[in-house]
Amino acid sequence: DVKVTQSSRYLVKRTGEKVFLECVQDMDHENMFWYRQDPGLGLRLIYFSYDVKMKEKGDIPEGYSVSREKKERFSLILESASTNQTSMYLCASSVTGQGSNEQFFGPGTRLTVL
Amino acid sequence: GNSVTQMEGPVTLSEEAFLTINCTYTATGYPSLFWYVQYPGEGLQLLLKATKADDKGSNKGFEATYRKETTSFHLEKGSVQVSDSAVYFCARTPFSGGYNKLIFGAGTRLAVHP
Repeated sequence: DVKVTQSSRYLVKRTGEKVFLECVQDMDHENMFWYRQDPGLGLRLIYFSYDVKMKEKGDIPEGYSVSREKKERFSLILESASTNQTSMYLCASSVTGQGSNEQFFGPGTRLTVL
Repeated sequence: GNSVTQMEGPVTLSEEAFLTINCTYTATGYPSLFWYVQYPGEGLQLLLKATKADDKGSNKGFEATYRKETTSFHLEKGSVQVSDSAVYFCARTPFSGGYNKLIFGAGTRLAVHP
């Protein structure tokens, strides 16, 4: 089975802190994604990566950065956390090609910024 | 554009009732279409998909037919169970800019009561 794991299920941080969310996949997928999920807004893409050290902005990249130093790991960084970044963060991965674009998701990290 | 519109929830049903969750997409390109399900406390998992017009995706008693003429991909199940209570997301592939991205709807929460 494809497994996507995220470093924390729940996280509480203070405004201004630097926050790291880690995601690891074990299926050698080329593509990895970070989304945030908010009620009524569905999933919004923050950043994605299609290869090691490659990254592309999604729809809402402001206030976030990412790092992909190894194929299996994709990190989301909040440089200076703010209360409006309180949300559920979901990581996903997919393989290039195959025509179906199926993504495999981790369990999510619920981040609260106080 | 690249949008997906789902019916607003929550949808509340009694066990064994018939379920329909509406999903329409913008008629740009020839997208692949998906339904993902998110059970409480978990990430999203693929429920079913269809890659071309008139295809029917099915899984776990759920079905959805890719209707190009109405740009719809409605999710149906003949007899829901309490265990089907979850949030359901409709998704499509984007018109351009691959990398296996997906565009998600806002999600529809389903609550099934015994």
